This record gives sequence, structure tokens and C-alpha cells, in this order.
Amino acid sequence: AQSVSQHNHHVILSEAASLELGCNYSYGGTVNLFWYVQYPGQHLQLLLKYFSGDPLVKGIKGFEAEFIKSKFSFNLRKPSVQWSDTAEYFCAVNAEYGNKLVFGAGTILRVKS
Amino acid sequence: EAQVTQNPRYLITVTGKKLTVTCSQNMNHEYMSWYRQDPGLGLRQIYYSMNVEVTDKGDVPEGYKVSRKEKRNFPLILESPSPNQTSLYFCASSKKTGTKDTDTQYFGPGTRLTVL
Repeated sequence: AQSVSQHNHHVILSEAASLELGCNYSYGGTVNLFWYVQYPGQHLQLLLKYFSGDPLVKGIKGFEAEFIKSKFSFNLRKPSVQWSDTAEYFCAVNAEYGNKLVFGAGTILRVKS
Repeated sequence: EAQVTQNPRYLITVTGKKLTVTCSQNMNHEYMSWYRQDPGLGLRQIYYSMNVEVTDKGDVPEGYKVSRKEKRNFPLILESPSPNQTSLYFCASSKKTGTKDTDTQYFGPGTRLTVL
């Protein structure tokens, strides 16, 4: 069965610090990869996704993620975080031809102003 | 506006009292799904539907039922709610899944359910 592991459950950063959130998945076949963000009190919104092609994917609000197939990883990055990036971030994986989107446990990011 | 709507947004109920949470999407999506979100566990899939009259179990289906009689609606039914079903529930939809063109899932605003 597929599983998704997010390395850190809580991350606290100061504004302007760089961010990297780890995500590893367990599935040997072709996958589709997503990062979703949930701002306080709101529903999940798509940050970025990878289906195929360039493994470096750019999303909204200055976020990017790199798919490294050999490491089964899809880490999320942002060079300089803002207070408004305070949210919970979820990595999700959908196996090609699969019917299910499997989520990681989430990483709560708090950015101090 | 393209969206997924859920009702109610907040619900407090008692053990054993049947309830239904509605979900509706206006994007003509084939695929719909229900998730529950619990702290430290992320989102776990309850049920999903590939199309009208086609539903299947996700990872945590016990205690839940669904139906898909129309393409736009996918209600979640708790026949006899218990306190361990206290959670935040999200409905989601996408154009299709299970193919090379799997599309992004769009989420509703969530329903916070408390079962006393």
C-alpha cells in the first residue's frame, strides 16, 4: 500500500528564512505528486503538482518542489517565508492509474514576524 | 464560480442519531471523495466515487455510508454516529482519476462534526 511520510510535524521559522519541508512516499510505480496548503480555518488549496516532465515544479506564492525519483522524495521549498505562509502543509501521492489520493500527516508551519 | 460546497459546516450531535453531510460540486466532475482530517494523521479517505452509482471504500469506511445518485452530489451518511467519528470532514472532486490524466482534487470548506 502507498504511504506518505512528512519529516517534520511542526516547523517554526522567522520571516525571510528559507523553508524546506520533506516528503517521502513508498510506491514503486509512476506517481502523481501534490502539495496542498491549509490556512487557519480554511479548506485545502493546491500549491503545486507534479505529473511528468521537469522534476522542478513551481507553484503559487513562490513555492517550488523537486521530485527526486531515486529518493522517492518531493520536497517543498520557498527561499524566503512570510508571516502569511503560516499554515499546515500536506504532501499527497496518487499512483498512476490509482483511485486514491494518499496524504501525509501534515507539517504545521509557523512564521514569526 | 467553480466550487465544492458542504453542509452543514458545523454540527454537534449525540451518539446514535443518524446524520447526513451533503456535498455538491458544480464542475461536472466525475470523481468525488470524502476524507476525514484528524490531528497528526493528515487526511484519510473514507469513500470515493468514480461516477454516478459507482462507489468504493477508502481507508477508513467503517461507520459511514455514501450514495451517488446524481453526478453533482455525494452525501456522507452516519447511520449511528459515535464519539470516535468526531472529526473534520472534507469532500473533494476532480475531473477524473485512475488514468494518466489524473486531475487535481478540489476540496470543499469542511464540516466540523462533534459527536457527544
